[in-house]
Amino acid sequence: NAGVTQTPKFQVLKTGQSMTLQCAQDMNHEYMSWYRQDPGMGLRLIHYSVGAGITDQGEVPNGYNVSRSTTEDFPLRLLSAAPSQTSVYFCASSTPTVGYYEQYFGPGTRLTVT
Amino acid sequence: SQQGEEDPQALSIQEGENATMNCSYKTSINNLQWYRQNSGRGLVHLILIRSNEREKHSGRLRVTLDTSKKSSSLLITASRAADTASYFCATGYSSASKIIFGSGTRLSIRP
Repeated sequence: NAGVTQTPKFQVLKTGQSMTLQCAQDMNHEYMSWYRQDPGMGLRLIHYSVGAGITDQGEVPNGYNVSRSTTEDFPLRLLSAAPSQTSVYFCASSTPTVGYYEQYFGPGTRLTVT
Repeated sequence: SQQGEEDPQALSIQEGENATMNCSYKTSINNLQWYRQNSGRGLVHLILIRSNEREKHSGRLRVTLDTSKKSSSLLITASRAADTASYFCATGYSSASKIIFGSGTRLSIRP
């Protein structure tokens, strides 16, 4: 199993551009989530999904959209990039067999917005 | 705002010593987890303790939970260079839909 994969690893955007961060998992996990991590801080939850077709907002959802059309994929869309969105983005997945709590993380995408 | 706050923010110890880091949280939880993050990598789940448990062990890791004080501690015994990483606590709720992370403790092991 590849686990949780994220693409791209690095991305530089100009203010106002849009892009999609990709996340895929091959463990058939129902639960997927997106976090951002800023220097010296923990992870803040952006959006999450408990299954295909179901998404909900986390702590910091503004400026981001998600959709979940399949169990495997959970893309994160930046609608109009701002310098405040410069961060490292992590995708994670989990399953009810561990009560959704034990999350498996991808390697992260480092995004810089200039 | 973040639920869990780790203390200390940074910790440097000699190889072979024990490392203790603490986590405090604000509201009632269903469980508390600890994760490790090596530099430039994703987080790795270490251990989960449920709200009705007081202590849990996994190898060189020992986690305690005091729900009356809303706090938890992670003890790493006989530290090794490979333990150098950031450690995060994360709180889970009975709704099972959100897991909130703290700001982390950076642990450095000196040879």
